[in-house]
Parts: sequence; structure tokens; C-alpha cells
Amino acid sequence: GENVEQHPSTLSVQEGDSAVIKCTYSDSASNYFPWYKQELGKRPQLIIDIRSNVGEKKDQRIAVTLNKTAKHFSLHITETQPEDSAVYFCAADYSGGYQKVTFGTGTKLQVIP
Amino acid sequence: KAGVTQTPRYLIKTRGQQVTLSCSPISGHRSVSWYQQTPGQGLQFLFEYFSETQRNKGNFPGRFSGRQFSNSRSEMNVSTLELGDSALYLCASSLEFTTDTQYFGPGTRLTVL
Repeated sequence: GENVEQHPSTLSVQEGDSAVIKCTYSDSASNYFPWYKQELGKRPQLIIDIRSNVGEKKDQRIAVTLNKTAKHFSLHITETQPEDSAVYFCAADYSGGYQKVTFGTGTKLQVIP
Repeated sequence: KAGVTQTPRYLIKTRGQQVTLSCSPISGHRSVSWYQQTPGQGLQFLFEYFSETQRNKGNFPGRFSGRQFSNSRSEMNVSTLELGDSALYLCASSLEFTTDTQYFGPGTRLTVL
């Protein structure tokens, strides 16, 4: 089955700096890669996703890049703000509905004011 | 539209008991997935239902089961509870597949004593 590794497990950055979180996956059939943000005590929320026919996607301060050959994808947050502090999860899934979505172990991001 | 709702929000049970959790998806969403979240194992996929049928299942024992009703509402049941079943149980709904945008509910916090 699919295996998703996520690094780092914790990340501290100064406000205004950039943060990068990386994930690798094992199953080349995976073609959908969402990122979720989970604030303390709250539900996970999708912040950005990318499909395998695209190499990069950007939404304001957040971007995701995908390297299908190397089987890794990364979340980039620029100009970090204290409200970006949360746990971020990556995931790998397969469009078609018949694969078990697999999550990374999470990255706790702390943005220091 | 109203978001995904889950009931109850908190449950305390003892070993050996069984429990039923409920999830009401966003109106129009036909796919409902269930996840277990624990500090040690992170987010793990339990199963997904679509049109009252279990479409996919994660690597959990048969004590974990679920069902979906014609209105897309879903329930999951855990029988013969074990201490290790203590977790936050999240459901998520999407239009048709887990690769559509998934919206999570607030979760049910289950504590097994």
C-alpha cells in the first residue's frame, strides 16, 4: 500500500520568513495530493491541493510543488504570520475512488512573532 | 450550506462496550469517509461510503464497521472497545470521491477507560 513520509515533524520560523514542508510517497499510482491545516482543537481544513498533471500550484502565500519522478511534493508558505501556526498534514490519494487515502505524520509549524 | 456535523462530540466508554458515532455530510455530498486521529498514529483512513455502499476500507480490524443511509448520513460502530480505540474520530464528506475537496466534521472524542 501507499506510504507517505513527511518532514520535518516540527518547524519554527520567524514571522515573515518562509516555511517549507516536504512529503514523499511510494505508490506511483497516486495522483492527488492535498494539504490540510489543523489548528489546535479544530478540524483539518484543506488549504491547497495538486493533481499529478500539474507541477506547481499557488494560492496567495501558499504554494505546492510536485515532482512525480522523485515522488515528492512540498508545501511552501511565504511571509509567514502567527496565524499560520498549526499542524500541517500532507496526503496522497488516487482519483477513481478505490485507493485508501494516506496521510503524512504531520508538521507542527510555529511562527514566532 | 451547513457544514459537516458529528454527534456526539464527546464519549466516555469502558472496555468491552460498543459505540456508535454519527456523521451528517454537507447537503449534496454523497461520499463520506471516516478517519481515526491519535497522537501516535496520526490520521488514518477507516473507510469510505458512497451510495450506501462501503467503497473502500483501511487497515482496521472488523470491530470497526459503518453504514450509510439513503440521505448520505453515515454511522460508524466500534464493538468490544479497547483502550487503544481512544481517539478523535473524524468524518469528512465530498461530492463523489475522496479526491474531491473533503470537508471535515468537528470530530467525536472517544475515551475508553
